[in-house]
This record gives sequence, structure tokens and C-alpha cells, in this order.
Amino acid sequence: AQSVTQLDSQVPVFEEAPVELRCNYSSSVSVYLFWYVQYPNQGLQLLLKYLSGSTLVKGINGFEAEFNKSQTSFHLRKPSVHISDTAEYFCAVGHTGGFKTIFGAGTRLFVKA
Amino acid sequence: DTGVSQDPRHKITKRGQNVTFRCDPISEHNRLYWYRQTLGQGPEFLTYFQNEAQLEKSRLLSDRFSAERPKGSFSTLEIQRTEQGDSAMYLCASSPGTWYEQYFGPGTRLTVT
Repeated sequence: AQSVTQLDSQVPVFEEAPVELRCNYSSSVSVYLFWYVQYPNQGLQLLLKYLSGSTLVKGINGFEAEFNKSQTSFHLRKPSVHISDTAEYFCAVGHTGGFKTIFGAGTRLFVKA
Repeated sequence: DTGVSQDPRHKITKRGQNVTFRCDPISEHNRLYWYRQTLGQGPEFLTYFQNEAQLEKSRLLSDRFSAERPKGSFSTLEIQRTEQGDSAMYLCASSPGTWYEQYFGPGTRLTVT
């Protein structure tokens, strides 16, 4: 079985500061990894995904994530956040032979002026 | 491409009543998913369709829940004899041939009083 743990439920940060949202996963098989963002009263939007190849993945809105197989982590980073990045961020995992996505509980990023 | 749409956006119902939600996927997306999201949690997988065939159902989907996707286009999710524990956001997503490219709708928020 697969599972996802997002280590921080809330992350407050000042505008223009760097941020890292942490994600660890558990799986006995090869995985695909994802980060989604959810703005208030909206559905989820895919930020980035890791399927294979380079362990550093770049996504939309200046976000990037690094896949670390030995530490089973997929942390999300942004060097300089904006007020508009305030949202809920979900890490998710799926196994390469399947079709189901397992989501973490989410991390609320709150960017302060 | 108008995106995934869901109707209604909000539904308030009394315990014991039946409700039905509709999801219209992106045209020509052959895969369709339903998820449930409760407050402070990530989406939980409910069921999955490939074209009109329902290929998997989560054990979260009790006998009171039924989903259909006639003709492989729109889908409906019905909850019979609603309970207060059914209160949640119900999300629909669709994807093309690659299952991991999921596009989410805005969700239907159900409140059972």
C-alpha cells in the first residue's frame, strides 16, 4: 500500500522569502509523484510531476521539487513567494502500473506581506 | 477546452434524502475519477471509470453510493439516504490516455443537516 505524509500542516512565510513544503511517501513499488495546489473554493491544479529521469522537476508558477529515492521524499520549493501563492498544497503518489492517486493531508501555505 | 464542470456547486440536504451530482469531463477524456475531500484532508479516491466501465470502487463507497457514466461522457454520483458523515466536497477529475494527467473540477460541496 502507498501513503503520503506532509510534514507540516501550515507554513507561514513572508512575501519574497523562500519556502519548502515537505513530503514523504511510502511505497513498495515504483512511483509517480505529484504536487497539486488548491485555491479557496476551487478544484486542484497540477503544479508539477515526477515520472522518471531528472530528479529535479520544475513546475508552474516558479515551483520546483526534488525526488529523493533514498529518503523517499519529494519536497516542494520556491525561492521567492508571492501573496498569490497562499493556498493549500497537496503531495500525491501513484504507482507506475496503476491509475489511482493517493493524496497527503495538505499543507496550508500562508504568505504574509 | 472548457475544463471539467460539476453541478451543483453547493447542495444542502436533510439527513435521509437522496442527492445526485453531475460531472462533465473534458471532452474526449476517457478516464474519469470521483474523490471525496473532507475538511483538512486531501482528496480520497472513490471510484474510477474508463469510458463507460467502472473499473474500481473504493471501500469508502458504501452501498448507499452509486456512480454511473453512461456512454462514456458525463458521470453522476448518487448518495442515497444521506448521513451527516457524508458532508464533504465531492471532486471529479478526468484524464486523457495518460492516467496521471488529471484535471479537476471545482467540486460539489455537500452539507447534510
